[in-house]
Amino acid sequence: EDQVTQSPEALRLQEGESSSLNCSYTVSGLRGLFWYRQDPGKGPEFLFTLYSAGEEKEKERLKATLTKKESFLHITAPKPEDSATYLCAVNRPGGSQGNLIFGKGTKLSVKP
Amino acid sequence: GAVVSQHPSRVICKSGTSVKIECRSLDFQATTMFWYRQFPKKSLMLMATSNEGSKATYEQGVEKDKFLINHASLTLSTLTVTSAHPEDSSFYICSALTGLAGEADTQYFGPGTRLTVL
Repeated sequence: EDQVTQSPEALRLQEGESSSLNCSYTVSGLRGLFWYRQDPGKGPEFLFTLYSAGEEKEKERLKATLTKKESFLHITAPKPEDSATYLCAVNRPGGSQGNLIFGKGTKLSVKP
Repeated sequence: GAVVSQHPSRVICKSGTSVKIECRSLDFQATTMFWYRQFPKKSLMLMATSNEGSKATYEQGVEKDKFLINHASLTLSTLTVTSAHPEDSSFYICSALTGLAGEADTQYFGPGTRLTVL
């Protein structure tokens, strides 16, 4: 069964304490892996799209990497405003363009 | 990034009434939009794919007669929850594809609509 699994479910960090979030997937024929940030009561905010193993993308304190089985979202020296739920998604095999399978997310809390 | 808006942001209605939610792409044309539902502390569940000028494609288990989707223009899709009941209370989120080169599959999401059915 095609699946997207994110870990940990929740992560508490001190401000400045770097860490990584994991997204593992079992879909065959990956067409794209997406990272989103979601604040409570709001829609997801697009962060990155990764298409092939070895690809990396950065934005401010965030860096996303991709292997053949998983993706990592590295957070360097996080700040309290980085607190949010981070969602990972992949294209559903055989699905139409944009049909995504979402993971359950990692809730990140950064304490000052 | 591309901007998607939703209206209303919150709606409270009585059981048995219908509610319409609008999703607009503000700075791009979207031939494809999506409607999701999200329960508390759960991930997004795709309800349907909305294509401009054609009928929506519904995911398995989603009642198309209850959740009416119309995508009449390249910047507007609407979701109408008909004869709403308390179990329809949820957070509804739309998204859109820009179709731009290099981000063909990237969805941009609206801010969501919180529906409460009394």
